[in-house]
Amino acid sequence: RKEVEQDPGPFNVPEGATVAFNCTYSNSASQSFFWYRQDCRKEPKLLMSVYSSGNEDGRFTAQLNRASQYISLLIRDSKLSDSATYLCVVINQAGTALIFGKGTTLSVSS
Amino acid sequence: NAGVTQTPKFQVLKTGQSMTLQCAQDMNHNSMYWYRQDPGMGLRLIYYSASEGTTDKGEVPNGYNVSRLNKREFSLRLESAAPSQTSVYFCASPVWGLADNEQFFGPGTRLTVL
Repeated sequence: RKEVEQDPGPFNVPEGATVAFNCTYSNSASQSFFWYRQDCRKEPKLLMSVYSSGNEDGRFTAQLNRASQYISLLIRDSKLSDSATYLCVVINQAGTALIFGKGTTLSVSS
Repeated sequence: NAGVTQTPKFQVLKTGQSMTLQCAQDMNHNSMYWYRQDPGMGLRLIYYSASEGTTDKGEVPNGYNVSRLNKREFSLRLESAAPSQTSVYFCASPVWGLADNEQFFGPGTRLTVL
């Protein structure tokens, strides 16, 4: 089983739609979780950290379910500018590096 | 404050040639990392350096060597390039903390090996 697994998509949605991405991780001892965003041919950038209690940043909501080893990202009121690849990220067991999922591609159309 | 910089941005090599990818960070971070990104494979860790003077293998170290020249610079060397090393290479440097964990990436080096 891969350490971090994501549905690759692509997710094609119209502007204004709500879309949710899911991610599972294999190491139950993992403590820190993140969502990164990567635009085409650019470097990944931190979108938001994922906390146990769940957290929200504007139109973006991240949730963590430790029992199911599952992370989610919800985007409400999608914008054209949200089109990108979203990477689920977990810190490795040693706490020395980030483990990246393969990413989920989102395309928002007008 | 440039963050993480990488050179070159693009490179084409012939099989068997060697080259060094350069990375520098001006954030005074202890750790630095090299990743490669291939279509359908995601980002995979090649090598990392937890502090000046130390380096460790990541998930895919074969065919690469690294040097942590000083706190700012971390280079990646391909001694004998192979077509399988065609990829986008990202250098990164993190902030690790209780309240703040973020990996800052350089803009990437797009390498093609013919």
